[in-house]
Amino acid sequence: KQEVTQIPAALSVPEGENLVLNCSFTDSAIYNLQWFRQDPGKGLTSLLLIQSSQREQTSGRLNASLDKSSGRSTLYIAASQPGDSATYLCAVNGGSTLGRLYFGRGTQLTVWP
Amino acid sequence: DARVTQTPRHKVTEMGQEVTMRCQPILGHNTVFWYRQTMMQGLELLAYFRNRAPLDDSGMPKDRFSAEMPDATLATLKIQPSEPRDSAVYFCASGYDRFYEQYFGPGTRLTVT
Repeated sequence: KQEVTQIPAALSVPEGENLVLNCSFTDSAIYNLQWFRQDPGKGLTSLLLIQSSQREQTSGRLNASLDKSSGRSTLYIAASQPGDSATYLCAVNGGSTLGRLYFGRGTQLTVWP
Repeated sequence: DARVTQTPRHKVTEMGQEVTMRCQPILGHNTVFWYRQTMMQGLELLAYFRNRAPLDDSGMPKDRFSAEMPDATLATLKIQPSEPRDSAVYFCASGYDRFYEQYFGPGTRLTVT
């Protein structure tokens, strides 16, 4: 069974810092990897999708990288803002059953002014 | 702005009662997923459908849960009878196919007393 781990579990930083959130997975037979943001009491918002053949994807201040062979992905947030405060979830599509997403437990990010 | 919609947003019920949750996927998406989120387990897949046919429902307690897609615009998740341990947030997600980006609805917060 695919296992997804996110480190750190929580992160608190001052505004303006550049951040790196880490995600690792045990089965490298993935189709893609998706990063989500979840605000308290809300649903999940898709941030970036990286196909298994890609090395990275960028959207605004966000950059996600994927190293499939080593089972790792990172989400880089540049010039963090208080509005970035949320829980960031990594989800892997693949493993024993292609099509289903396996989620990490998330990194809870707080950016203070 | 196409979105996944879910009803009801909140549901409080007593143990033993039937609960039905509904989801309208994004028009044109042929894959629908049901997830459950709890503090203890995080996000886990319950079931998913492709072209209205169930592909994987291994995450769902079969004795009390059932999921259906009566038509392409409606997916339902039913619990009968409900138990306190079913208290969670239930998310529906849809995608163009199982290897594409998944878009999540706002969730149904279920409380069983």
